[in-house]
Amino acid sequence: AQTVTQSQPEMSVQEAETVTLSCTYDTSENNYYLFWYKQPPSRQMILVIRQEAYKQQNATENRFSVNFQKAAKSFSLKISDSQLGDTAMYFCAFCPRRGKLIFGQGTTLQVKP
Amino acid sequence: DTAVSQTPKYLVTQMGNDKSIKCEQNLGHDTMYWYKQDSKKFLKIMFSYNNKELIINETVPNRFSPKSPDKAHLNLHINSLELGDSAVYFCASSPIGSNNEKLFFGSGTQLSVL
Repeated sequence: AQTVTQSQPEMSVQEAETVTLSCTYDTSENNYYLFWYKQPPSRQMILVIRQEAYKQQNATENRFSVNFQKAAKSFSLKISDSQLGDTAMYFCAFCPRRGKLIFGQGTTLQVKP
Repeated sequence: DTAVSQTPKYLVTQMGNDKSIKCEQNLGHDTMYWYKQDSKKFLKIMFSYNNKELIINETVPNRFSPKSPDKAHLNLHINSLELGDSAVYFCASSPIGSNNEKLFFGSGTQLSVL
């Protein structure tokens, strides 16, 4: 079975510091996509960053970057210069086929002033 | 100019009732989805439609019936509501294309069954 595991239910970080959220997944597929979504208290699901498995280069989006280790099936999210607006629940997701996202359990991130 | 819009945002109803949630996207996408987020925040796909055709049905009870009148709309009808149906239901859409898996989500409908 394809599964996604986020082993950190809750994390906290001081404003302006860096935090890393962990994600591992299990699959026998070779081609797939990985995502991090952010869900603030407003409930909206917001795409943070996307990685294609066939690309070795780690994706970056401004303050957000990933460490994609395909052999280890690991996909962690690093948030640099954390801001209060980064406070949210973060979901790692694995996509083996179009649109079928398999989500992890989520990590609640609190950014403290 | 909302990209993916769902109505209603909140829905409170009694057990046994039938209710519908509507979803519309103005992005010109070909594929639409319904996801369910339970009380523990776990998100799971329910259905996927591509150009009005069902392509994913994830062992959802047949009390749930999606309907896609056109590719911009995907409504979810639920019969004989049960307590366990209480959740947040998210509609989403994505453009067609073998290398584009980016989903755009609506803001969710919180369903409370009493």
